[in-house]
Amino acid sequence: DIQMTQSPSSLSASVGDRVTITCRASQNINTYLNWYQQTPGKAPQILIHDASMMQGGVPSRFSGSGSGTYFTLTISTLLPEDFATYYCQQCYSYPWTFGQGTKVEIK
Amino acid sequence: QVQLVQSGAEVKKPGASVKVSCKASGDTFSGYYIHWVRQAPGQGPEWMGWINPNSGDTNYAQKFQGRVTMTRDTSISTAYIELSRLRSDDTAVYYCTTESSRSFDYWGQGTLVTVSS
Repeated sequence: DIQMTQSPSSLSASVGDRVTITCRASQNINTYLNWYQQTPGKAPQILIHDASMMQGGVPSRFSGSGSGTYFTLTISTLLPEDFATYYCQQCYSYPWTFGQGTKVEIK
Repeated sequence: QVQLVQSGAEVKKPGASVKVSCKASGDTFSGYYIHWVRQAPGQGPEWMGWINPNSGDTNYAQKFQGRVTMTRDTSISTAYIELSRLRSDDTAVYYCTTESSRSFDYWGQGTLVTVSS
């Protein structure tokens, strides 16, 4: 199985900050990488697919980059509604696997 | 636009089975694969498998082979997942979700399954 490792596991940030989350795959997954946002008690919601393609309706402050084994999710200017947990997920080969999550908390 | 509505919370004893339903509305039921993803408390999501509602074909994660069964009833636009021989570490929220271009776009509200003696 492909292992997905996110860092950091949690971070504290302030409204207006720029935040970057990294995700590493245990093998080359090309750009078969998705990012999701999850708030407590809710299902994950897709933000980015194919490593850098924004899902329709997602604010432009979210961006994704990377290929191969190294990927990043950046929030350019953190807003109050962005405090949540973020997961990367590879869809290169089955079983599709998720990272352990990065919780973005209010400083 | 798709809406997925799942069945309610379940409490089961170890060794029992559980069956969770996922009713789709708003779009053609057979037009997209339905995946099942679970999330244990405080953990990341875990992919369990998919069903093609059109053909009934399935693909299960190796971890659940022999314990999981995914089915569908196209007449009522509903997909099901059944997990047998439940253990305490099967306690989780179970989600159904639709796939679009290798990503999960629409999600059910989740069904909490608690396994406890």
